Amino acid sequence: EAGVAQSPRYKIIEKRQSVAFWCNPISGHATLYWYQQILGQGPKLLIQFQNNGVVDDSQLPKDRFSAERLKGVDSTLKIQPAKLEDSAVYLCASSLVGGPGELFFGEGSRLTVL
Amino acid sequence: KQEVTQIPAALSVPEGENLVLNCSFTDSAIYNLQWFRQDPGKGLTSLLLIQSSQREQTSGRLNASLDKSSGRSTLYIAASQPGDSATYLCAAPYGQNFVFGPGTRLSVLP
Repeated sequence: EAGVAQSPRYKIIEKRQSVAFWCNPISGHATLYWYQQILGQGPKLLIQFQNNGVVDDSQLPKDRFSAERLKGVDSTLKIQPAKLEDSAVYLCASSLVGGPGELFFGEGSRLTVL
Repeated sequence: KQEVTQIPAALSVPEGENLVLNCSFTDSAIYNLQWFRQDPGKGLTSLLLIQSSQREQTSGRLNASLDKSSGRSTLYIAASQPGDSATYLCAAPYGQNFVFGPGTRLSVLP
């Protein structure tokens, strides 16, 4: 069974530029999460989808971050414009059920903002 | 609000030792708790998921326990190996998602 796929693995941009990350969850997993992990800290939830609806986006900085999950499968997270403090690893996770159920993570996308 | 802490922050042990990693959570109204391993530059790998109806869950040399009444979970690693070196994170539910601890960075020396 294929795991959670993420791309790109690494991205370096200048501040005020834009960037997009893509995630394809495990087949059949209804719930998809985007987390931000800053070095030395645990992951922090940005947004949670159940199928193609948003369950929780209370910690998403909506002035610069956006995410969508069209057709309830893969998802894109966008940052525009990026700030220095956005340098982090962006992790996508999925679970078969909400609730939350057991989480399965991708390898992550490491963003460096210069 | 759910807050998750992990003690110790870092641990260095010689190969072969048995060790215990601790996780504490503030909201005990949970129905499961999950332990993960994270290697440098990698995503999180699920190790164990304990349901609230279980007190323990075992996988190979790993054993996790859950005590909701005290707000604690422990991860026991038997006969540690250098390949166990990684950061170990626990995650407790809050609402519809998990809140993560900061992790314990483990180094097992050959």
